[in-house]
Amino acid sequence: QQQVKQSPQSLIVQKGGISIINCAYENTAFDYFPWYQQFPGKGPALLIAIRPDVSEKKEGRFTISFNKSAKQFSLHIMDSQPGDSATYFCAASHYSGTYKYIFGTGTRLKVLA
Amino acid sequence: NAGVMQNPRHLVRRRGQEARLRCSPMKGHSHVYWYRQLPEEGLKFMVYLQKENIIDESGMPKERFSAEFPKEGPSILRIQQVVRGDSAAYFCASSPRQGARDTEAFFGQGTRLTVV
Repeated sequence: QQQVKQSPQSLIVQKGGISIINCAYENTAFDYFPWYQQFPGKGPALLIAIRPDVSEKKEGRFTISFNKSAKQFSLHIMDSQPGDSATYFCAASHYSGTYKYIFGTGTRLKVLA
Repeated sequence: NAGVMQNPRHLVRRRGQEARLRCSPMKGHSHVYWYRQLPEEGLKFMVYLQKENIIDESGMPKERFSAEFPKEGPSILRIQQVVRGDSAAYFCASSPRQGARDTEAFFGQGTRLTVV
């Protein structure tokens, strides 16, 4: 119930291509879904987040698609660049006034130049 | 405005020793979260603290682990009698107040603990 399943584990994309990372959850009480980007040796940094009252959110080259009925959400990186090479984590939380997140296991993205 | 500061960045301890990890939240932040990241895994919530109070420690192992956030000074995550399985990256995050729809938690760079 508390798991967030993330796939794929790793992803290789050509420069300019679209990177797609998927996550699925079970707990219908989750109502906040952030994506974090982590570079080696660094802490996670918030990339983009969505709430279930919208089906899509776009910020620059990054888009979250949210399917409430399927309990799935995904991150799309358009025009992927080598600088996007990092590990991406999806997360979920129940708005209880805290940042107690359930994280996915991460996707290691490599964008080839 | 400095970000969340964690130290040390790397810590090596022998089995049975104590490990102390420190976290100074961002200026103006009074809420601190600790997460643990095992190799090739996602972050796992450990504990949520406000100044002088532990709010939620549901992710903390029952033994050997403790956390505090005193009125003055950094938050401390303490691991007594470390074992090899404690080797991980420990991340601290801070927020200005309880989770709100327009705020976020900021993560530090982590402390990588290696138990030999």
